[in-house]
Amino acid sequence: EADIYQTPRYLVIGTGKKITLECSQTMGHDKMYWYQQDPGMELHLIHYSYGVNSTEKGDLSSESTVSRIRTEHFPLTLESARPSHTSQYLCASSELVQETQYFGPGTRLLVL
Amino acid sequence: EDQVTQSPEALRLQEGESSSLNCSYTVSGLRGLFWYRQDPGKGPEFLFTLYSAGEEKEKERLKATLTKKESFLHITAPKPEDSATYLCAAPYNAGNMLTFGGGTRLMVKP
Repeated sequence: EADIYQTPRYLVIGTGKKITLECSQTMGHDKMYWYQQDPGMELHLIHYSYGVNSTEKGDLSSESTVSRIRTEHFPLTLESARPSHTSQYLCASSELVQETQYFGPGTRLLVL
Repeated sequence: EDQVTQSPEALRLQEGESSSLNCSYTVSGLRGLFWYRQDPGKGPEFLFTLYSAGEEKEKERLKATLTKKESFLHITAPKPEDSATYLCAAPYNAGNMLTFGGGTRLMVKP
């Protein structure tokens, strides 16, 4: 059973605000990922990490940034939220040499 | 270009009406084909991984199969609670990134 958590689950915020979406996993997985998914659309990888102090950009360009200071924690930050950032953000993790990714419940972000 | 394509985009079934979902892939050097279930507003839930042609895996009313070019998710006698979007995915580079298909939205009517 996957143990990966995201907070908040829902967030409504005004344009220009700084936000941080939290993601934590208790499985000791080295690799973590952030995906963006609009309703009814495909998942797009925006960031990933191989481990502590490792962060890489994914296939979809994103104005967000990530950090990986602890193995279990992979927060995503938007310095200045815009309506175009409205979407669902999904966090996932996997073992270093295993492709199976386990997903959190997601954060639904609405920027007004 | 590595791609994963799912069909149909949407499928309506009556309860008990068996059917199959298709996932075709053009990923070179396939290192696994993954199936996930996603309920509205939630994260994908891992179902199966298939690694070689001919492999089959089952879970309740679901059975996944794999050939050299595609995978099928067979749903036998579905129930309304099987309604969800089913996603398939494949790793596409040495970094183990997954590329996802667009999904099949399954609706099972009682």
